[in-house]
Amino acid sequence: AQSVTQLGSHVSVSEGALVLLRCNYSSSVPPYLFWYVQYPNQGLQLLLKYTTGATLVKGINGFEAEFKKSETSFHLTKPSAHMSDAAEYFCAVSGPNQGGKLIFGQGTELSVKP
Amino acid sequence: GAVVSQHPSWVICKSGTSVKIECRSLDFQATTMFWYRQFPKQSLMLMATSNEGSKATYEQGVEKDKFLINHASLTLSTLTVTSAHPEDSSFYICSASFEGDNEQFFGPGTRLTVL
Repeated sequence: AQSVTQLGSHVSVSEGALVLLRCNYSSSVPPYLFWYVQYPNQGLQLLLKYTTGATLVKGINGFEAEFKKSETSFHLTKPSAHMSDAAEYFCAVSGPNQGGKLIFGQGTELSVKP
Repeated sequence: GAVVSQHPSWVICKSGTSVKIECRSLDFQATTMFWYRQFPKQSLMLMATSNEGSKATYEQGVEKDKFLINHASLTLSTLTVTSAHPEDSSFYICSASFEGDNEQFFGPGTRLTVL
């Protein structure tokens, strides 16, 4: 079975500050891990994903995440927040032979203060 | 990149009527399509997985007779909400993937309001 926990349903940062969104997963198979962003009344856009290989993954819009197997974590970071980063962020897990099904975390709403 | 569209983007209907939502992969052949439901301020809940030419696989607790899913071609899947009631009001999102890829490409969503 797989599950995802996102710590903090709401995170607020100042513009220019570090963004850190936490994601921990549970998986009985090697995980595929994803971060998606959702703007109001829109679908999801992929920020980045980890399947195999390098554990530090760089994505779009300056975001990156590091897969840490020992900590079962896949936290999302961005060095400097921008106002346009304000959105809902979802961490998700899948894995080989899972039929492509994604298990989503509860989501974290990111607010950016000027 | 892979683009998925949904139609309509929003719909308002009367209680008891049926509503059809289309999900199309515009520039790739989608061997698998997924349908999700999202309530305000909540995460996505997978409703069903459909593969082209076969019956959809529904998640536990999802009524297959109420949420009819058809995946007739490699570029089109439809979700029909039958005899809609106000509690069916929600944001419905589809996604698509192609064979051999572990990524899902999401549509923009459809806002359903049942009066």
